[in-house]
Amino acid sequence: KAGVTQTPRYLIKTRGQQVTLSCSPISGHRSVSWYQQTPGQGLQFLFEYFSETQRNKGNFPGRFSGRQFSNSRSEMNVSTLELGDSALYLCASNALGGNTGELFFGEGSRLTVL
Amino acid sequence: QQPVQSPQAVILREGEDAVINCSSSKALYSVHWYRQKHGEAPVFLMILLKGGEQKGHEKISASFNEKKQQSSLYLTASQLSYSGTYFCGTPDNAGKSTFGDGTTLTVKP
Repeated sequence: KAGVTQTPRYLIKTRGQQVTLSCSPISGHRSVSWYQQTPGQGLQFLFEYFSETQRNKGNFPGRFSGRQFSNSRSEMNVSTLELGDSALYLCASNALGGNTGELFFGEGSRLTVL
Repeated sequence: QQPVQSPQAVILREGEDAVINCSSSKALYSVHWYRQKHGEAPVFLMILLKGGEQKGHEKISASFNEKKQQSSLYLTASQLSYSGTYFCGTPDNAGKSTFGDGTTLTVKP
């Protein structure tokens, strides 16, 4: 069974631009979570979507947004990019969400903001 | 609030043991453990759902002390392949998983 797929894997943007990242979860998984990973901050929770609804949200500014489609694929968008947004963005899928299931992570999208 | 992991880093020789701790200031519903190798995605190791539960995967095991709001990961007779960064995740009752900053384990020959 195919794993979690994230695209693009690498991208470079400049300050002020916006970016959209995509995540295709494992087939049948309805929950998709997004995390920002930086060397100094570890894995920071951005948001979680379940059946097209945002169910949980982390402490990130409104420039970070996301959505989930009916096929469970998810996108996250970052507008007005700042240098500090440079990070590895990981998405993880889970069959049902909740606190009992394992998370399956994609390999991430590495964003560099210049 | 994210869980606190200790130590931040540990260096071992092959065959040595290590313990990684994860503690939380909030009540824990479950604890997940993941390992991430450099340049790769975090990979699930195990989940502990109940206080007092212990699990094992090859020579890696974990315990969960619900009352103390902490979990420990035990790596026995470490192998080179155990090198990586280990994260504990603590989902809340709504399913939002918060992770510790990670413990970097380096196993040397």
